[in-house]
Amino acid sequence: QKEVEQDPGPLSVPEGAIVSLNCTYSNSAFQYFMWYRQYSRKGPELLMYTYSSGNKEDGRFTAQVDKSSKYISLFIRDSQPSDSATYLCAMSATGDYKLTFGKGTLLTVNP
Amino acid sequence: DAGITQSPRHKVTETGTPVTLRCHQTENHRYMYWYRQDPGHGLRLIHYSYGVKDTDKGEVSDGYSVSRSKTEDFLLTLESATSSQTSVYFCASGASGSLYEETQYFGPGTRLLVL
Repeated sequence: QKEVEQDPGPLSVPEGAIVSLNCTYSNSAFQYFMWYRQYSRKGPELLMYTYSSGNKEDGRFTAQVDKSSKYISLFIRDSQPSDSATYLCAMSATGDYKLTFGKGTLLTVNP
Repeated sequence: DAGITQSPRHKVTETGTPVTLRCHQTENHRYMYWYRQDPGHGLRLIHYSYGVKDTDKGEVSDGYSVSRSKTEDFLLTLESATSSQTSVYFCASGASGSLYEETQYFGPGTRLLVL
């Protein structure tokens, strides 16, 4: 079993839809959880950051962490064509300074 | 955003030749990383550095070496390039004690083709 599992998609939705992206993990030591967005032929950029459990909201984006289930989610409300990208989850244990990435989910938002 | 640049951005080389990729960051970050990204494999860590002259191996380090002589520069060398090293290479950096602890910031990538 991989440490981090992420459905690769591809996921195709109409503009305005609510998008749910998810990752599961097996290492209970993970405390830091991130979502990166990667546009085609670009480097990953940090989108959301959460420490430990709970929710975090930033505009149309909400990140959720459920440590009891070892499950993290990213929700995108009112999705836009500009949200079309690959979304990577990443996580780390305290003091590790190395990230474990999911393989990414390719999202296409159709106008 | 962290100021991270990579050079070259694109390179075509022949099997058996040495190749060096350069990463430069202007954020005074302590940690620096080299990844490769391939379809079906995602991002895989090659080597990382936790300070000047302090480096360690990642999960796919065979055939690669690194050096860090200054805080801002991290070099990745393919000693003798092989076709299996055709990939997109990303550099990243991060700082301990920052607002976003454990976070990494990525460069724009280098596309390497080994013929």
